Amino acid sequence: SQQGEEDPQALSIQEGENATMNCSYKTSINNLQWYRQNSGRGLVHLILIRSNEREKHSGRLRVTLDTSKKSSSLLITASRAADTASYFCATAAGSSNTGKLIFGQGTTLQVKP
Amino acid sequence: DAGVIQSPRHEVTEMGQEVTLRCKPISGHNSLFWYRQTMMRGLELLIYFNNNVPIDDSGMPEDRFSAKMPNASFSTLKIQPSEPRDSAVYFCASSLAQHENNQPQHFGDGTRLSIL
Repeated sequence: SQQGEEDPQALSIQEGENATMNCSYKTSINNLQWYRQNSGRGLVHLILIRSNEREKHSGRLRVTLDTSKKSSSLLITASRAADTASYFCATAAGSSNTGKLIFGQGTTLQVKP
Repeated sequence: DAGVIQSPRHEVTEMGQEVTLRCKPISGHNSLFWYRQTMMRGLELLIYFNNNVPIDDSGMPEDRFSAKMPNASFSTLKIQPSEPRDSAVYFCASSLAQHENNQPQHFGDGTRLSIL
């Protein structure tokens, strides 16, 4: 079964607006990570939030985690055209120590200049 | 610092041919992952290694697919014989897996494979 499910599948906004993407998962996790993928490139790690954390910030990124609802959100504030990319959440199972992650299907974000 | 290096970046070949994709993980990383990405199926984990040992190959689609990691700095994914439905972007990623699993994965830029 799919562990991480992103919502929405696609999002189009104007430069300067905020973008919010959501991720839901099914099983218990050790941590949840967000990645960005630019067209034609590999995934790039953005931010990691541990299961005992509720919110984390990194520059214009804000991630929240609600383990009771098994969901996370990624907020990008003051978006720029360069933020145009696909964004994936990934979960690490609590019992694994081999680094395995389960990736969701991703949200495609388009930021119009 | 060099990231994960994959080769070739692009491969176009005819069905039935053998295809070998190569990956050099980040030095010091002890876990290596092979993924396949398509529009229809998204990002799929094919196989991953920890300390050069295959841990889980349940994502490998068929016996036509095989992967090896002869040492800590090199891995290959082989498809023999290749079929058009194998066309996809194949990614390699590595990480430093530790207790509690709180480490990100680092991806290469992938190999875009087209089987005609």
